[in-house]
Amino acid sequence: AQTVTQSQPEMSVQEAETVTLSCTYDTSESDYYLFWYKQPPSRQMILVIRQEAYKQQNATENRFSVNFQKAAKSFSLKISDSQLGDAAMYFCAYRSASETSGSRLTFGEGTQLTVNP
Amino acid sequence: NAGVTQTPKFQVLKTGQSMTLQCAQDMNHNSMYWYRQDPGMGLRLIYYSASEGTTDKGEVPNGYNVSRLNKREFSLRLESAAPSQTSVYFCASSEAGGVYEQYFGPGTRLTVT
Repeated sequence: AQTVTQSQPEMSVQEAETVTLSCTYDTSESDYYLFWYKQPPSRQMILVIRQEAYKQQNATENRFSVNFQKAAKSFSLKISDSQLGDAAMYFCAYRSASETSGSRLTFGEGTQLTVNP
Repeated sequence: NAGVTQTPKFQVLKTGQSMTLQCAQDMNHNSMYWYRQDPGMGLRLIYYSASEGTTDKGEVPNGYNVSRLNKREFSLRLESAAPSQTSVYFCASSEAGGVYEQYFGPGTRLTVT
């Protein structure tokens, strides 16, 4: 079974600075997908960024980018120019590419990000 | 489009009571999911339905049952609630396969006393 680990329960960053959230995963599969979701205090889960394992190029979405290291099974999220609205719980998630997996997600424990003005 | 809707948003049950959490999606997705979220444990999959007419157990299925009523609706039932089932419950839906994202409902906060 796949596992996802986020070793930083809490992180903080100053507004306009850059912060990196860590995520590692364990899998024996070669084809899979990785996601970062954001959960603000409203509780709504919002997709931040996604990465296909077969793509070597790191995904980028505006101020959000990932550092995907397939051999190390690492998938960190970098937030540049942090804004107060970035304050949230961030979850890393894994999805197998196998058709028998039902496209279900395995989540990490989450990292609570605080942005200080 | 409403996306994924869940009812109720909040519920308090006594131990032993039963209830059904309702979920509906209007995105014509094949796959639907139920997760629970507990502090420090992320979201854990309870049950999922890869397509209409099929359901499968996830990581923590004990104490729950599900019904995929049609392509739009996927309900979660607690037959005899226990305090350990106090949690926030999320329903989600997605296209099957690929890098498609899962879309989540707003969640139901359930307290069992």
